[in-house]
Amino acid sequence: KNQVEQSPQSLIILEGKNCTLQCNYTVSPFSNLRWYKQDTGRGPVSLTIMTFSENTKSNGRYTATLDADTKQSSLHITASQLSDSASYICVVPGTNAGKSTFGDGTTLTVKP
Amino acid sequence: DTAVSQTPKYLVTQMGNDKSIKCEQNLGHDTMYWYKQDSKKFLKIMFSYNNKELIINETVPNRFSPKSPDKAHLNLHINSLELGDSAVYFCASSQEGAGWVTEAFFGQGTRLTVV
Repeated sequence: KNQVEQSPQSLIILEGKNCTLQCNYTVSPFSNLRWYKQDTGRGPVSLTIMTFSENTKSNGRYTATLDADTKQSSLHITASQLSDSASYICVVPGTNAGKSTFGDGTTLTVKP
Repeated sequence: DTAVSQTPKYLVTQMGNDKSIKCEQNLGHDTMYWYKQDSKKFLKIMFSYNNKELIINETVPNRFSPKSPDKAHLNLHINSLELGDSAVYFCASSQEGAGWVTEAFFGQGTRLTVV
């Protein structure tokens, strides 16, 4: 069964600190993995996509990594800001539009 | 200009009623979706639909039915509402190709409360 597991389930950090969110997947076949950010009361928004051949990709203070051998991805947030408080969802699309597998998300709270 | 818009944003209704949530996308995407997000914030896909195929998550009760008058619209109709249907429902769209799917663009969500 295709699965996407995220850890930790929730995380609280102080403003300015760094943090790393984890995503492990068993989806097969695998082509890419997306990280979404969901602010409270809003729909998820794509942060980045990691394709099979990519190891690291940065988007501002967000850096995603992918290890296709171990089937793990991480999202590292540098110098956290209050606006980073959100849920972060890892999604592995299937080869069919209806076959995406969603992780349960990590809820990040950044405190001043 | 909102890419994916859904209405209403809030919906409060009594058990047993029938209700619909509307969704429209102006991105020209071929595929639209409905997701349910429960109180634990777990996002679960309910349906995906394009011109060719409706894919239903097998856990979705048949009281839920998607209705698509055209490619830009996918409405969600719910019959005989139950307390457990209370959740936030998200509409989304994406473009699908042979073996690939683009990122999904989500609407703002509809918070359904069944009393």
